[in-house]
This record gives sequence, C-alpha cells and structure tokens, in this order.
Amino acid sequence: DVKVTQSSRYLVKRTGEKVFLECVQDMDHENMFWYRQDPGLGLRLIYFSYDVKMKEKGDIPEGYSVSREKKERFSLILESASTNQTSMYLCASSWELSTNEKLFFGSGTQLSVL
Amino acid sequence: RKEVEQDPGPFNVPEGATVAFNCTYSNSASQSFFWYRQDCRKEPKLLMSVYSSGNEDGRFTAQLNRASQYISLLIRDSKLSDSATYLCVVNMRDSRDDKIIFGKGTRLHILP
Repeated sequence: DVKVTQSSRYLVKRTGEKVFLECVQDMDHENMFWYRQDPGLGLRLIYFSYDVKMKEKGDIPEGYSVSREKKERFSLILESASTNQTSMYLCASSWELSTNEKLFFGSGTQLSVL
Repeated sequence: RKEVEQDPGPFNVPEGATVAFNCTYSNSASQSFFWYRQDCRKEPKLLMSVYSSGNEDGRFTAQLNRASQYISLLIRDSKLSDSATYLCVVNMRDSRDDKIIFGKGTRLHILP
C-alpha cells in the first residue's frame, strides 16, 4: 500500500514563526502536492511538484514556499505564520501528472497559529 | 459557473435507504472523474473512478453524463458507516497542463 506520511498530526505555532510541514511518500511517486482544507472552502492547492527540485504554484501560494530536494520528500514552509494560515494541511502524491491518476493523501496536519 | 459544484448537504438518510447525489463540472475538456470519501478529521480516500460506461462497486454506482456535464454517485442499502463527506474530483487538461479540481463535498449522514 502507498504510504504518505506527514510529520505532525497537530501543530500549534505563534504568529511570525517559521513553520515547516514535512511529507514523505514511499512509492517513488513523481508528483507531490500540498493542499489546505477549510470549512466551506474545500481543498485548495498551494503548491505542487512534478520532479525533484521542481515546483509549481497552485491556486493560493501566497505566504508559502516549498522544497523538494529528494523525490520522496516535499516540504511546505510558512515563512512567517499568520492567523489566517490556521487550517488543515494535506499532502498528496501520485504516480504521473496525467488525467487518470488518483491521489494518495497523508493523514493531514491541523495547524493552529495563535 | 464554478468549475466543480456539489450540493453541500447534509443529506440525512435512514439506514437501508438509497441515496444519490450529483456533481456538475463546467469544463467540457474534463477527462477523468473520481469520487473520494472523507471521514471527519481524516484525509480523503479514493472511493471509485467514474468511467464513461459507468461503474459499480458493491452498493456504490458511479455514472458520467458528458452531455450534461455531471457525474453521480448512488449508494444502495446505506449503512451507518457510509456517513462521510463525498468529494467529486475532476481532472482536466487546459492549455498548459493537467489540473485536478476538487468539489467542496457533499455531507451524508446515515440515521439509525
């Protein structure tokens, strides 16, 4: 079974802190994604990566950056956390960036910024 | 028109009943379609793909209507464990690249 692991299930940070969210997948997937999910807004794509050291902005990249130094690991960075970044963050991966590929999700990180 | 639209619900349905909900999509270039299930405070998981010919997996049937640009999910003999949010996902190819669009989900409550 594909396993996508997010480093923290719950995280509490203070405004202005730099926050790292880590995601690791064990199936040699090419593509990795970071979403945030908020009530009433659904899943929104922050960034995705289709190869090592490659990244593409999603729909809401402002206030975030990403890093993909190794194929299995995709990190989401909040340079200076703000309260409006309190959310559930979901990492996902897939084999190919084709239209028929399904996504495998990690169990999510509930981030609270105080 | 939103790219992918779902009735947010909640649908409150007695155990054993049949329930169906739809998802409409705006881009006729959409190429593949999925239903994901998400339990409260958990990650989405693939429930089933939706093929042009429709497909069935036990009590679940998914269908695609390209002419009217919607997909549907039918659940027969509903169980308490079917209570969840069902997310419609549409993969489309626009001028630059592939894009995955999630609906906001339909909440289903199965009542004992």
